[in-house]
Amino acid sequence: DAKTTQPPSMDCAEGRAANLPCNHSTISGNEYVYWYRQIHSQGPQYIIHGLKNNETNEMASLIITEDRKSSTLILPHATLRDTAVYYCIADAGGTSYGKLTFGQGTILTVHP
Amino acid sequence: DAGVTQSPTHLIKTRGQHVTLRCSPISGHKSVSWYQQVLGQGPQFIFQYYEKEERGRGNFPDRFSARQFPNYSSELNVNALLLGDSALYLCASSFSRLANYGYTFGSGTRLTVV
Repeated sequence: DAKTTQPPSMDCAEGRAANLPCNHSTISGNEYVYWYRQIHSQGPQYIIHGLKNNETNEMASLIITEDRKSSTLILPHATLRDTAVYYCIADAGGTSYGKLTFGQGTILTVHP
Repeated sequence: DAGVTQSPTHLIKTRGQHVTLRCSPISGHKSVSWYQQVLGQGPQFIFQYYEKEERGRGNFPDRFSARQFPNYSSELNVNALLLGDSALYLCASSFSRLANYGYTFGSGTRLTVV
């Protein structure tokens, strides 16, 4: 699995967009980019994933650069409940078997 | 619908003892994966079971073992507990064995070894 690099922490004002970056410069052609988040004392929660096209769902948007070496998770209107550790994972989702490689993640703090 | 349920939620064991952790996946999910999360770090993959067979194993010693039952629930067993086994143990279930379907995690079992 490709190694991902994320900033250790970020702040965001409530109601503003939170843009969380992730570098995955060694990503291979069959590896997807996944985002999970973990709110304190809970298990990780799946947010979104993509291969090379931008993706959007009810929780967030995922923007992947054309060269696929980096991506950005966008929470369009952050709330206090979005305070969590966000993990960016590069994984060959079409062939891997449940082995997600979590890094240290980004601690996102949303403040009033 | 019930999510992924894990039991017990908290557990205290003594070094050298054995522990069994349990996981019930979401109804219809056939894949169960186990992760260990040490304080301050991301979860580390231990095992995946799909259709009652082991499909993947992480870099953990043989003291760690697991199995999946016909109803797709799963047990994680750890023998000869060490202080370093203290962690949050997470179970994740999925309809498929493939990551593309997304994994749903339980809230975990907090194991403390003293």
